[in-house]
Amino acid sequence: DTEVTQTPKHLVMGMTNKKSLKCEQHMGHRAMYWYKQKAKKPPELMFVYSYEKLSINESVPSRFSPECPNSSLLNLHLHALQPEDSALYLCASSQDPSQTQYFGPGTRLLVL
Amino acid sequence: AQRVTQPEKLLSVFKGAPVELKCNYSYSGSPELFWYVQYSRQRLQLLLRHISRESIKGFTADLNKGETSFHLKKPFAQEEDSAMYYCALRGVNYGQNFVFGPGTRLSVLP
Repeated sequence: DTEVTQTPKHLVMGMTNKKSLKCEQHMGHRAMYWYKQKAKKPPELMFVYSYEKLSINESVPSRFSPECPNSSLLNLHLHALQPEDSALYLCASSQDPSQTQYFGPGTRLLVL
Repeated sequence: AQRVTQPEKLLSVFKGAPVELKCNYSYSGSPELFWYVQYSRQRLQLLLRHISRESIKGFTADLNKGETSFHLKKPFAQEEDSAMYYCALRGVNYGQNFVFGPGTRLSVLP
């Protein structure tokens, strides 16, 4: 398996809902990332996990909560989101933080 | 601070014409530079990495530290090259994050 997979592909949620985004890779990569991409804008880094430990949090609001249960999985827990959080959420992984990042297809999130 | 600029939001060229997508960066040390491409309805994928010094799909890019540039070039554009291109930078120190430029949409006309 040489790809990063993300589920779900699309998600619609209300501002009071709790949902989770899931990212998986089986390439043995030890660094995993969450990015947020608004329409017609570049991806913006949110979180970096290195060897299953959170190493970078780019001042992301606490309504986004990342979790790395093991080296192959990365979750993003969502709670009390705002409409402006609607975006494409991209997951990426790399062998380690110094290596090339490989991206998943993204989850398109709509917050109503 | 790390910063990447791509001055052209949209670049249109005719098939067979040369193409150059500009990328400039600001960084106080020696960064790593990348070009990522996103074709319509496909995931973001790595095109080139400056340390590899390779040619992918006919594209090349040379890091010019004097001009702090990493322009992407192809001598003869093809219609299938139409896509969104992002230049990206990573600082070489641990903990330096990945910064993308704003992107250039390349449209190759028949």
